[in-house]
Amino acid sequence: GAGVSQSPSNKVTEKGKDVELRCDPISGHTALYWYRQSLGQGLEFLIYFQGNSAPDKSGLPSDRFSAERTGGSVSTLTIQRTQQEDSAVYLCASSLPGQGKELFFGEGSRLTVL
Amino acid sequence: GDSVTQMEGPVTLSEEAFLTINCTYTATGYPSLFWYVQYPGEGLQLLLKATKADDKGSNKGFEATYRKETTSFHLEKGSVQVSDSAVYFCALRRANQGGKLIFGQGTELSVKP
Repeated sequence: GAGVSQSPSNKVTEKGKDVELRCDPISGHTALYWYRQSLGQGLEFLIYFQGNSAPDKSGLPSDRFSAERTGGSVSTLTIQRTQQEDSAVYLCASSLPGQGKELFFGEGSRLTVL
Repeated sequence: GDSVTQMEGPVTLSEEAFLTINCTYTATGYPSLFWYVQYPGEGLQLLLKATKADDKGSNKGFEATYRKETTSFHLEKGSVQVSDSAVYFCALRRANQGGKLIFGQGTELSVKP
C-alpha cells in the first residue's frame, strides 16, 4: 500500500484478555518501530525492528508485551493479560535505513481495556 | 541518555500571530532533528527536518534551524492560521540507536480566528 497500515483501528477488550495489533509497513522499508501514545504521556518508544530482528526492545514496559516481524514486512504487537494502564494508541512507523530518513507513521490502533 | 525538551502547551494564538515553539535537545554526536505534526483526528506526519548543523528545514511556512551551539531546533511561523491548530512534536534521531525517533512531549497549538 501507499502508507503504513494498522489494524484494528479500535479495540475494546476486557482486563486480562490478550490482544494482537498488526502493522503493515511501506513496501521496501526495512526498519519498523512501535510507539505508544497515552493521554498526557507523549510518544513512548516500544521496540525497533531491522528486518526480522529486534535489536532494540528497550521500551517494552513489561514481559506481557512482545512483538514479532515476519518476512521483513508485517509486524504484530501482542499484549498478554491486558491491564487498564495498557489503554493507549499504539503507533507503528516504518523507514528506509539512514539517520536522516523520516519515519512514516500509521493511523494507530486505539486500545481500550475495560 | 538522549532527550528532547519542548515548551509546554497549550499555546493559544490569534490568527496571523507569530509562532515560536521552543525545542532543545541532549544528545552526543550529530543527530538529525525533526518536527512532526498531529492534526486533530489524524496520524503523525513529518513537518520538516534538518540533518546537520546550521541546516534550515522549512515547509508550509514553518521553519526551524539546527543550532548545535545552543542544542536547539525552535519551530517558527510568521503568520499562523486556524488550520495550523495541532500538536507539534520535536524529535531527534541518531543512527547508532537503531534510528529510533526520540520525541519531546508535544506542544498543543490552538489558533483562534
